[in-house]
Amino acid sequence: GQNIDQPTEMTATEGAIVQINCTYQTSGFNGLFWYQQHAGEAPTFLSYNVLDGLEEKGRFSSFLSRSKGYSYLLLKELQMKDSASYLCAVRPTGTASKLTFGTGTRLQVTL
Amino acid sequence: SAVISQKPSRDICQRGTSLTIQCQVDSQVTMMFWYRQQPGQSLTLIATANQGSEATYESGFVIDKFPISRPNLTFSTLTVSNMSPEDSSIYLCSVVIRGHTGELFFGEGSRLTVL
Repeated sequence: GQNIDQPTEMTATEGAIVQINCTYQTSGFNGLFWYQQHAGEAPTFLSYNVLDGLEEKGRFSSFLSRSKGYSYLLLKELQMKDSASYLCAVRPTGTASKLTFGTGTRLQVTL
Repeated sequence: SAVISQKPSRDICQRGTSLTIQCQVDSQVTMMFWYRQQPGQSLTLIATANQGSEATYESGFVIDKFPISRPNLTFSTLTVSNMSPEDSSIYLCSVVIRGHTGELFFGEGSRLTVL
């Protein structure tokens, strides 16, 4: 089976940097995804890691360590519009793109 | 990306009735899935919609309760049968688009409230 853990809630200040952690235990691993979900909206894809290391995409970066079963999403220069839930999802091997989602981290950006 | 159209976007339903949700995609789709997101919760996979054959259901979900059709590559329906208040949820169609790295693209979701 799969188990994915994320903090439930985080608060950060506009302009700051925040790191959202995700740990996972899966039967095989074939990629980790981060999604952003604003209240009342569908999730939107942010990043994908399949090899160890850091993937950078603008203000957002995602890191993966497969040996530790660990990933984080780093958001820089926070903006109010970044207030949303951030979902970590894992694709186990042999599952043909089926993703298992964590419970999500609700981020509140304040002034 | 892709345009994924779901309808209805929301509905209020009576206990014991059934409702069918439609999902139409405007791009080349390789995989199609149906997820559920209960209030305040994350996403749970209901099933993989297979073109021209029976869907593949996850543990805890059965065809009698959630019949799914996928008559062609870009269209699928999910029916929520004999609804109870516990079925109140957002139902999301999601797809993998050909040429991408396997990330899921989601429809806007169908928010069902069962009274």
